[in-house]
This record gives sequence, C-alpha cells and structure tokens, in this order.
Amino acid sequence: GAGVSQSPSNKVTEKGKDVELRCDPISGHTALYWYRQSLGQGLEFLIYFQGNSAPDKSGLPSDRFSAERTGGSVSTLTIQRTQQEDSAVYLCASSLVAGNTEAFFGQGTRLTVV
Amino acid sequence: GNSVTQMEGPVTLSEEAFLTINCTYTATGYPSLFWYVQYPGEGLQLLLKATKADDKGSNKGFEATYRKETTSFHLEKGSVQVSDSAVYFCALVPLQAGTALIFGKGTTLSVSS
Repeated sequence: GAGVSQSPSNKVTEKGKDVELRCDPISGHTALYWYRQSLGQGLEFLIYFQGNSAPDKSGLPSDRFSAERTGGSVSTLTIQRTQQEDSAVYLCASSLVAGNTEAFFGQGTRLTVV
Repeated sequence: GNSVTQMEGPVTLSEEAFLTINCTYTATGYPSLFWYVQYPGEGLQLLLKATKADDKGSNKGFEATYRKETTSFHLEKGSVQVSDSAVYFCALVPLQAGTALIFGKGTTLSVSS
C-alpha cells in the first residue's frame, strides 16, 4: 500500500476483554515495529519483526501482550484481559530493513479500556 | 542500556523566534540519530537524521549536529513558523544491525503569531 495502515483507528473495550490491533506495512518493507504512545511517556517500544521473526520482544509489558506477523506482511498485536492501564495509542511502523533506515508510521489505534 | 533524553516541554514561542530543543543520548558505540515530528492529527514522520559523528542533518529549515563528545543531537531552527507547532521526538538506532528506534519522550512546540 501507499502507507502504513492500522485498524481500527479507535477501539473502546471493556476491562477484561481481549483486543486485536492490525497493522498493514508498506509493501516490500521487511521490518515492522510496534510502539505504544501514552501521555507523558513518549513512545514506548514493544516489539519488532524482521520478516516473520521477532528478534526483540523485550518491550512487551506483560504476558498478556503478544504479536505475530505472517507472510512477512500484516501484523497483529493482541492484548488479552485488557486493563485500564493498557489505554494508549498503539503505533505501527515499517522500514525496508530493521536498523538504520527511515521508519514510516501509521496513524495509530487509540485504545480505551473502560 | 540505550536511551534518549529530551528537554521537557511544552515550548512556547512567538513566530520568527529561534528554537532549540535539547536531546542527549546514552548508547554503546556510535548510534544513528534521528528527529521525528508529529503534527496535530498526523502520524510521526522523519524530520532529519545523522549517521556519524559531526554529521549535520537538515530539513525544512531545521538542523541538528551529531556531537559525540557531548552525546547530543540538539534540534535548532532560526525562525519558527506557526506551522511548526507539533511534537518533536529525538530517537536513536543502536550500532548493532537490525534493531529498533529508541525514542525520547517528545517535546511539544507551540508557536503563536
């Protein structure tokens, strides 16, 4: 696609429910990143993929968070048993390869847990 | 570990004022350094970058110089415009190949006419 596409753009969920956030990277980009943006916390790294592998998942806050990428393209970030502290904007980015290349960001998914 | 520290905001300036947003980093070796900008209602986009010591990145009138002696990458612009109002993020990519961007907390800039 022309840019990084994320869906849904907004999600309101009840505490304890599971949610899935989707990211469709730029075609041909092998690296894909997930970040979380909260007020006062800046951009918190969650996980990145090179192809379908996740060399660094050190930023996932707990075992309720998981992500996968299939076919070297679309990625899904899943949050199980959501908590109110999970409320944030979840950003996805992609780049040609991981590392010293420009990352292109999607518009994000705003998650609100009530 | 690797980290980025930015000056706290918000920064409020009048149009045509000089802008400096401070950024310092901690990293093993010599990382690549970036400034990203997030305009209201838009996604993050790359503003400029520098990949080695003494490199100067520049774009849209903004500049930043990679200073390894002070581990800094301060963002400057000689004359800001209202349209520069945005959140600015300093970031680094560690020296090791195949790693993710590490961001600072962001600095909000508000420019009034």
